[in-house]
Amino acid sequence: KAGVTQTPRYLIKTRGQQVTLSCSPISGHRSVSWYQQTPGQGLQFLFEYFSETQRNKGNFPGRFSGRQFSNSRSEMNVSTLELGDSALYLCASSSTDLPERAFFGQGTRLTVV
Amino acid sequence: LAKTTQPISMDSYEGQEVNITCSHNNIATNDYITWYQQFPSQGPRFIIQGYKTKVTNEVASLFIPADRKSSTLSLPRVSLSDTAVYYCLVGPNFGNEKLTFGTGTRLTIIP
Repeated sequence: KAGVTQTPRYLIKTRGQQVTLSCSPISGHRSVSWYQQTPGQGLQFLFEYFSETQRNKGNFPGRFSGRQFSNSRSEMNVSTLELGDSALYLCASSSTDLPERAFFGQGTRLTVV
Repeated sequence: LAKTTQPISMDSYEGQEVNITCSHNNIATNDYITWYQQFPSQGPRFIIQGYKTKVTNEVASLFIPADRKSSTLSLPRVSLSDTAVYYCLVGPNFGNEKLTFGTGTRLTIIP
């Protein structure tokens, strides 16, 4: 099976713009989560989707949003980008058969200038 | 979710066994202990999970004492490719739901 795929791998945006990141989970996985990783804050949970519904949400402002499609693919959107949004954004998927194990993608490196 | 405490960094020589201990004094009855490994600019990778006593897989062993207030990840005969950050996570066995990562342990393997 192919792993979790995130696109694009690298992105440079200007402050004030918006950005959409994409995540394709492992085939058959219905749970998709998003994380932000920065040197200062480490790995922080953004939100989790299961069967197109947001099940859990972290402590991030409303500028961060996401959605999941019927094929389990997920997108996250960040509006009105700030310099502090520069980070590695990671997506993880898991299956109902093996819920205790999350499989992470390689991430999207977002740089806001 | 139970808070975890790990050493910030560790160094070890190639070929040695490395033990990384994680403290989780407030672990709940239904909590599992899970370890992830992360290389630079990559997503974390699941290593091992356990509830009590000892768990072993092809990569590592996990030792959990009876009181479950700590756990030790054991990596046998490490190589340079084991240089990474290792995270100890404690929580209900729900996998992808809101994993809480601490600061992790930066393990450096010295040739």
